[in-house]
Amino acid sequence: RKEVEQDPGPFNVPEGATVAFNCTYSNSASQSFFWYRQDCRKEPKLLMSVYSSGNEDGRFTAQLNRASQYISLLIRDSKLSDSATYLCVVISYSSASKIIFGSGTRLSIRP
Amino acid sequence: ETGVTQTPRHLVMGMTNKKSLKCEQHLGHNAMYWYKQSAKKPLELMFVYSLEERVENNSVPSRFSPECPNSSHLFLHLHTLQPEDSALYLCASSQLWEGQPDTQYFGPGTRLTVL
Repeated sequence: RKEVEQDPGPFNVPEGATVAFNCTYSNSASQSFFWYRQDCRKEPKLLMSVYSSGNEDGRFTAQLNRASQYISLLIRDSKLSDSATYLCVVISYSSASKIIFGSGTRLSIRP
Repeated sequence: ETGVTQTPRHLVMGMTNKKSLKCEQHLGHNAMYWYKQSAKKPLELMFVYSLEERVENNSVPSRFSPECPNSSHLFLHLHTLQPEDSALYLCASSQLWEGQPDTQYFGPGTRLTVL
């Protein structure tokens, strides 16, 4: 089983739709979680951190479910510019910090 | 954006060449990272430097040799690479708080092709 798993997609949704995807992790000791966005042939850019209480930034909502070991990203009122690959990042703190990236979920918003 | 810069942006090299990738961060962070991103694979963490000291080396072949002369600069020296080393090499920096990394900021990457 992979340490961090994401549905690769692609998710193809119409503009204005709400879309959600999850990222599961296997290490119950994981402590920090992030969502990054990566456009084609560009570097990953931080979208948002994921806190235990959940957090919202405009149209984006991130949540953490420790019991089931997954994080989620919800995008409301999707825009064409939301088309990208969304990467989840899980960090475990042990004797050495372990940073694991998911392979990403491709999202394509159509007009 | 000039937070983390990388040069060159593109590099084509033969298997017998020696080249170096350069990364510079202007964010005042105390940790820098090298990642490899191959097609259809997740980012793979290669090396982590904290305060110029290598703190992580994820079983990377010796043909990749990192160097961190100070907290703002990171190099990746390449020699006798293989075609399967062709990938996007990303540099990142972050603040480390008692060994725990905060948000990472990435450079634009170097797209490497090994012939």
